[in-house]
Amino acid sequence: QKEVEQDPGPLSVPEGAIVSLNCTYSNSAFQYFMWYRQYSRKGPELLMYTYSSGNKEDGRFTAQVDKSSKYISLFIRDSQPSDSATYLCAPNNDMRFGAGTRLTVKP
Amino acid sequence: NAGVTQTPKFQVLKTGQSMTLQCAQDMNHEYMSWYRQDPGMGLRLIHYSVGAGITDQGEVPNGYNVSRSTTEDFPLRLLSAAPSQTSVYFCASSRGPGGGSTGELFFGEGSRLTVL
Repeated sequence: QKEVEQDPGPLSVPEGAIVSLNCTYSNSAFQYFMWYRQYSRKGPELLMYTYSSGNKEDGRFTAQVDKSSKYISLFIRDSQPSDSATYLCAPNNDMRFGAGTRLTVKP
Repeated sequence: NAGVTQTPKFQVLKTGQSMTLQCAQDMNHEYMSWYRQDPGMGLRLIHYSVGAGITDQGEVPNGYNVSRSTTEDFPLRLLSAAPSQTSVYFCASSRGPGGGSTGELFFGEGSRLTVL
C-alpha cells in the first residue's frame, strides 16, 4: 500500500462549481500536509499547506486534515477555468506524492 | 534566483544509449530529488539526497544512478536506456522538514525523455 493514496480522476466540473479533492494516508507520523498544483507541461508548485488537524483557508481554497481518519481534502470554491490543473497531495516530511487528480473546469 | 534548472528539456535516445539529466539549484537547499511522471502514475521518486555525498533510493531506482558531489548539483544518469524509461523527469529541491521549514519542494520545469 502506498503511503499516500489519491484518486487520479480525471474530474470535470462547470465553472463556478465547488470542487472537492481528497487523499488518504497511512503514516500517522506525518505532520504537515501539502497541496501542489501542476499546470500542463510545467513543474508542480506549492499551492498551500496545513499543519496537523483542522482547516486552512486561502482565498477560494480550503485545505482540511482529519488525522483521526487520515484524510486530507482540498476544496475549491467558485472554480474557474484557470484552476484547470493536476492537484497533488503530499506530507511534508516524506518526498512521496499521491497520484494527483487532473481537474478541468469548463467555462 | 533561477531556482531549479534542468537540462536538457527534451531528449530522444535509442535503446541501450546512456545519458545524464542535469539538475542545479541556487537556493542552498540540502535536499534534492528526482521524480518521473507517467500518465495515471503521478510523481514517483527515483533517488534522493539529503546533502552532499549522501544519496538514497526512492520507489523506482532501477536503471538510474545519481551522485551528489556539491550542494548545487544532482545529476541523474541513465545507464542503458530502455523504452520503459520514456517519461517526464522532474528534479526538486527543498530545505527539508524541521527547523521551522515546511519542507516545501521546488521543482524544475521537467525533462521529456523518449527512448526508441
